[in-house]
Order: sequence, then C-alpha cells, then structure tokens
Amino acid sequence: KAGVTQTPRYLIKTRGQQVTLSCSPISGHRSVSWYQQTPGQGLQFLFEYFSETQRNKGNFPGRFSGRQFSNSRSEMNVSTLELGDSALYLCASSLAGYNTGETQYFGPGTRLLVL
Amino acid sequence: EDKVVQSPLSLVVHEGDTVTLNCSYEVTNFRSLLWYKQEKKAPTFLFMLTSSGIEKKSGRLSSILDKKELFSILNITATQTGDSAVYLCAAEIIQGAQKLVFGQGTRLTINP
Repeated sequence: KAGVTQTPRYLIKTRGQQVTLSCSPISGHRSVSWYQQTPGQGLQFLFEYFSETQRNKGNFPGRFSGRQFSNSRSEMNVSTLELGDSALYLCASSLAGYNTGETQYFGPGTRLLVL
Repeated sequence: EDKVVQSPLSLVVHEGDTVTLNCSYEVTNFRSLLWYKQEKKAPTFLFMLTSSGIEKKSGRLSSILDKKELFSILNITATQTGDSAVYLCAAEIIQGAQKLVFGQGTRLTINP
C-alpha cells in the first residue's frame, strides 16, 4: 500500500507570496492532519480535516488555511509569507482520526524556505 | 495549555550502550502517548501507549506509560549507529477529532 505523499518536496518563495502544499493520504484514510516543524518550536499542529470538513485547528494565524477534497486529498495554503514560515510541513493520515486508537502515518514533508 | 516535554534534548552514547528517553505531558482530554523516530523527513511510528504499566516491546526498543505521574520512557538496549535519530513523543488528544501535541524531541547520536 502506498504511503502518504506530499508535493512539492522543496519550495523556495519570497516574503509576501503565497504557497499551496498538497497531501495525498494512504488509500482508505479519510483524516488528514497538518503539522509545522521548525528547529525552535518543534512539531506543531496546524489543523485536521475529515470528510472535507475542518474538525480541529491549532494556534496559527488566519494566513494558514486548508481544505480537503472528496477523494481525501488535502491542500494547505499560506498567504502573505513571512520569513518565520520557513519550515518542514508534514501531513499525516489516519482512517477516521476519532476515538479509534489509530496511528497517524506521516508523509515525507515539504521543506519551505521563505527568502 | 497542553504541553509535552522531552528530556534530554540531546544525547550522545557509544554503540552497545543502553539509553532511556523521557517524556512528560500535561494535556487535557488525553487519550494515548505515541513515540516516533525521525531520521530524515517523515516521523515513523514506534509505539502507542494507552494503558499504564504495560510495557510495549519491539526488538531492542521498549516503552512504558505512567498515567498517574504523566510520563513515559523509551528504552533502547544494545544501541546501534542506525538508532541515531530524533525521537519524538506526542500526546494524543481527542477533542472532537484526533490531535497530537509533540515534545521538542531528543536527538540521539550513537557513535561507533
């Protein structure tokens, strides 16, 4: 079974631009979570989607948004990029992500560099 | 505020040593404690612990959870250079949906 895939793997943007990252979950998984990983803050939860609905959200500004499509693929968007947005963005998928004791499986991440 | 703290942040040992990594947590709506190993990019799942006092083992790795004292440990015996990685623990919270709160990670380096 194919794992979680993320595209692109690397991205360089300048301040003020916007960026869209994509995540395809493991086949059959309907819950997709997004995390930001930086050396200073570690791994921080951004948001979680299930059946095209955002069910949970972390403490990030409104510049960070996401969506999920009917095939469970998810995208996250960051508008008006700031230098501090440079990070590894990881997505993780699980079957339903609700009180089922499932494991989240992580993708390889997208490394974003903001100049 | 939900918080997970790992210690030490960094550890350097020789091949063959045994190491113990610590993880303490203070979260609401706690469901389980997870350990991941991150070598280059994607964290890979090691253990999920939901019950206190029950050790989980996988080869040279083992882990246990204490829900009364709110901590978990990850043990690695007879370490090998391939064990070098960042080890992450995360508290799973159920708050309408699954959410993981991660610690800062422990960077483990095994020298030959």
